[in-house]
Amino acid sequence: EPEVTQTPSHQVTQMGQEVILRCVPISNHLYFYWYRQILGQKVEFLVSFYNNEISEKSEIFDDQFSVERPDGSNFTLKIRSTKLEDSAMYFCASRTREVAPNTEAFFGQGTRLTVV
Amino acid sequence: TQLLEQSPQFLSIQEGENLTVYCNSSSVFSSLQWYRQEPGEGPVLLVTVVTGGEVKKLKRLTFQFGDARKDSSLHITAAQPGDTGLYLCAGPGEVSNDYKLSFGAGTTVTVRA
Repeated sequence: EPEVTQTPSHQVTQMGQEVILRCVPISNHLYFYWYRQILGQKVEFLVSFYNNEISEKSEIFDDQFSVERPDGSNFTLKIRSTKLEDSAMYFCASRTREVAPNTEAFFGQGTRLTVV
Repeated sequence: TQLLEQSPQFLSIQEGENLTVYCNSSSVFSSLQWYRQEPGEGPVLLVTVVTGGEVKKLKRLTFQFGDARKDSSLHITAAQPGDTGLYLCAGPGEVSNDYKLSFGAGTTVTVRA
């Protein structure tokens, strides 16, 4: 069964460093998302991406964040200068080409980012 | 952002008992999805409900979407320890153009053997 894969599963970085989280969405999907979940809190939307551009972003997704789909396969989230409060699980998700309310989003296993 | 309230926050029951988890909102949702999440892993989709009043069954799990599409419930019959996990409801809402999801805070279900 096709799945969304994320790497690495765990990333530890020093405050102020740049990190890139990688995702390979399901191959025929066209809508891509990043969500994050701070420990003990709810899953929060960060950004959506369609047709090679950001379609929507939350207030969390400030200038320190960027997304890219460099090669038609990978979908990356970059945090330019990490802060302690960026520590969280980051989930990538993708959705099919069908734009209908019942098209489900499939999530990856997540990357646990720890900023020290 | 459409808000989804889940209740209860925690639920601990004995194997073989039944349980119901609720997901409520003041907003209308075009659909609602239920996910189950294990510690340290991503949400795994269980079901999507689309039509008001819809009932879907997945083995011992029954999902219902409210007539007004503002609420949903998940009922587990004869719960087993393997049902332990965090149950999340999520929905795209009416105003989202790209169907980003708003999540509830989740219900942590523990089924004791």
